[in-house]
Amino acid sequence: DAGVIQSPRHEVTEMGQEVTLRCKPISGHNSLFWYRQTMMRGLELLIYFNNNVPIDDSGMPEDRFSAKMPNASFSTLKIQPSEPRDSAVYFCASSPGGGNTEAFFGQGTRLTVV
Amino acid sequence: GQQVMQIPQYQHVQEGEDFTTYCNSSTTLSNIQWYKQRPGGHPVFLIQLVKSGEVKKQKRLTFQFGEAKKNSSLHITATQTTDVGTYFCAVHTPNDYKLSFGAGTTVTVRA
Repeated sequence: DAGVIQSPRHEVTEMGQEVTLRCKPISGHNSLFWYRQTMMRGLELLIYFNNNVPIDDSGMPEDRFSAKMPNASFSTLKIQPSEPRDSAVYFCASSPGGGNTEAFFGQGTRLTVV
Repeated sequence: GQQVMQIPQYQHVQEGEDFTTYCNSSTTLSNIQWYKQRPGGHPVFLIQLVKSGEVKKQKRLTFQFGEAKKNSSLHITATQTTDVGTYFCAVHTPNDYKLSFGAGTTVTVRA
């Protein structure tokens, strides 16, 4: 298996533009997590899906952020409109599911909003 | 959600020395996981602890789960330059398996 695949690896966009980050989890994994990492705030959980259903989105910063998982093999995180403070590394991770399993992280998307 | 405090935030270690990083929770944990993130990389799973008082070793790394299952530690002996990175503890909430991470301990090594 290729592991968790995220695209793009790097994204530079202008303030106000829409940004879409993509994630393909490991096949057969039931849980998918989106995290944001910054120096100031560390590794923050934004949203968590189980069996394609959003279970907890309490970490989503505001309405500008939305996430979807239309099927078991694909998820998106969208920011509209983007702001400079959204600049961070965004990680997607998947796990087989349940509370006793490890999470496998993608390489991350480094987002810069100018 | 589940909150874990991780200390210290930074650890500067002389090559060959030992160090320990700690993870503490105010509530009893079902299990705890440890991850390592190399500079510029992504978090990679190291180990999971489940049982009260459990101790697991991976070469020079020793992981321990407290008797009350409220704290955990990672001890590295004879630190090497390959140990550079940030070490995170992570915990699941009991009912919905949300995985939350501590703030991490960033380790630098002086050769």
